[in-house]
Amino acid sequence: DGGITQSPKYLFRKEGQNVTLSCEQNLNHDAMYWYRQDPGQGLRLIYYSQIVNDFQKGDIAEGYSVSREKKESFPLTVTSAQKNPTAFYLCASSTGFHSSFGTIYFGEGSWLTVV
Amino acid sequence: DAKTTQPTSMDCAEGRAANLPCNHSTISGNEYVYWYRQIHSQGPQYIIHGLKNNETNEMASLIITEDRKSSTLILPHATLRDTAVYYCIVRVGASGGSYIPTFGRGTSLIVHP
Repeated sequence: DGGITQSPKYLFRKEGQNVTLSCEQNLNHDAMYWYRQDPGQGLRLIYYSQIVNDFQKGDIAEGYSVSREKKESFPLTVTSAQKNPTAFYLCASSTGFHSSFGTIYFGEGSWLTVV
Repeated sequence: DAKTTQPTSMDCAEGRAANLPCNHSTISGNEYVYWYRQIHSQGPQYIIHGLKNNETNEMASLIITEDRKSSTLILPHATLRDTAVYYCIVRVGASGGSYIPTFGRGTSLIVHP
């Protein structure tokens, strides 16, 4: 089955640690995205990538980093510089980036908690 | 770029139609309207999209006004499992003319028995 796989589902981070959230898609989509969601809030864009080896900052990129070495993979690293990382993280992908973006597909999300 | 306005919350009786409105008064002629929904602690799920004409699929119907400044998502026979946050989105431009999907707070729909 085609889709987007995020892992882990739940992750705990100690103060000062970097953690990496995995996102893999087998939909052959060019565009991939990372969003952050806080309780009761909408989705805020962290980073997006239109093509392999290229990515752009979204609205809240500070304290995060990404890479796009393969078309199917777009991992997100939450660095120690991110002061309030506890949130629900969503990875997504889509086609048609240069038109009306096409249908966007989401993974099941990853919960990150700072302990 | 077109932005959307949705009511914060709505409720509906089980078995009745749920009509969720969305305003997008600045929408451009080539921008599609998409609807997604998010059940608690899951990723948003695609429901339906449209450009000008009304659309229907197995999940819902989408009614777009003639001037395209607003639309309504209709769940014809709401069930308890339709309780979710519903997002109405249109294209948001970014660098290089590419398109970034932007999700606001959406409408929290509660379907009650």
